[in-house]
Amino acid sequence: AQSVTQLGSHVSVSEGALVLLRCNYSSSVPPYLFWYVQYPNQGLQLLLKYTTGATLVKGINGFEAEFKKSETSFHLTKPSAHMSDAAEYFCAVRIGGSQGNLIFGKGTKLSVKP
Amino acid sequence: GAVVSQHPSRVICKSGTSVKIECRSLDFQATTMFWYRQFPKKSLMLMATSNEGSKATYEQGVEKDKFLINHASLTLSTLTVTSAHPEDSSFYICSAGGGGSGIQETQYFGPGTRLLVL
Repeated sequence: AQSVTQLGSHVSVSEGALVLLRCNYSSSVPPYLFWYVQYPNQGLQLLLKYTTGATLVKGINGFEAEFKKSETSFHLTKPSAHMSDAAEYFCAVRIGGSQGNLIFGKGTKLSVKP
Repeated sequence: GAVVSQHPSRVICKSGTSVKIECRSLDFQATTMFWYRQFPKKSLMLMATSNEGSKATYEQGVEKDKFLINHASLTLSTLTVTSAHPEDSSFYICSAGGGGSGIQETQYFGPGTRLLVL
């Protein structure tokens, strides 16, 4: 069965510091990988996605993620955190098939300290 | 980007009543919509996949008679929680497929509906 593991339910960084949110997946076939962000009282917004091609994917708001097949990872990074980055981040995997359902990790809450 | 709305954003009801939640794709047509349930400090759990003009496909463990899904048009899907009980209290989120095809289709999420059953 496919699964997604996000290490750390809560990550706290200082403003201007590096943001690193970890995501590992298990899948027997090449997955399609996504990062979503959820701000308080709002729906999920797509940050970035990996489907095929270049393994380093750039998304919105300065975020990027790198697909590492050998490590089955898709960690999300941002060089310099802003206060506005405080939110819940979800990693998700989508496996091939007619429906291609998304399987979500449990989420990581990012706090940014001034 | 594509916009998905949900109505209502919050609902409180008495045990035993039914509640309908609407999910609309505002600026695109969605042949497929998904319904998720999110528990506090938990991930999103897919409940069912709704396809326009056909019956929804429910995930294992989800009662289809309790969570009625209707996808009558390319822009509207509804989730009705029938005979709601306190354990049905949760955050329900819909998403609509838009752009691309098949595996590369991006899902756009609604803002969610907070249901509280007293």
